[in-house]
Amino acid sequence: DQQVKQNSPSLSVQEGRISILNCDYTNSMFDYFLWYKKYPAEGPTFLISISSIKDKNEDGRFTVFLNKSAKHLSLHIVPSQPGDSAVYFCAASDSGTYKYIFGTGTRLKVLA
Amino acid sequence: DAGVIQSPRHEVTEMGQEVTLRCKPISGHDYLFWYRQTMMRGLELLIYFNNNVPIDDSGMPEDRFSAKMPNASFSTLKIQPSEPRDSAVYFCASSRGLAGMNEQYFGPGTRLTVT
Repeated sequence: DQQVKQNSPSLSVQEGRISILNCDYTNSMFDYFLWYKKYPAEGPTFLISISSIKDKNEDGRFTVFLNKSAKHLSLHIVPSQPGDSAVYFCAASDSGTYKYIFGTGTRLKVLA
Repeated sequence: DAGVIQSPRHEVTEMGQEVTLRCKPISGHDYLFWYRQTMMRGLELLIYFNNNVPIDDSGMPEDRFSAKMPNASFSTLKIQPSEPRDSAVYFCASSRGLAGMNEQYFGPGTRLTVT
């Protein structure tokens, strides 16, 4: 039972354009969401997060949007750069358990 | 800071053998997590510790898996006996404070292949 789903295993985007990565969740108790980026042969690294009291959080080229009614979040990367090519994991947690539940990841390829 | 250190980076073993994966968390972090990454299930949390005490091991797949944290700077994940379906990348991560609200720092992972 996947509580956090990333339905697109891969995505290709032209350099300079917008990348949009999507994530859906099923557990209404989740109140904190994160995106991690992973390069080959490395561990995931934290990218950006959002609390359920917000619907948007920006950090430079990266913006995360949260739609609680739809149980959906998305990561926007503008403009996309070749160095953004990586696997992106969405994660969710509820403040009662302190556990992250990760999705299966989306492999982003930014074409030069 | 050296970050989270894991060893070995790669492990190839035969079915039935015991495998021990090792992790050194970031100094000062009081939470430690073990994850397994597979194509089908993504990153799965196996177990996590707070101040060296196991808090939740509900993700440990079977009794063949065990984890220990004898002190604040060392943890092991053991699989005995190993099976081909255990082949995956195993990550250790650590964080400071309430894990659900704080960034977790991941090690580089151990790629385990069981033949």
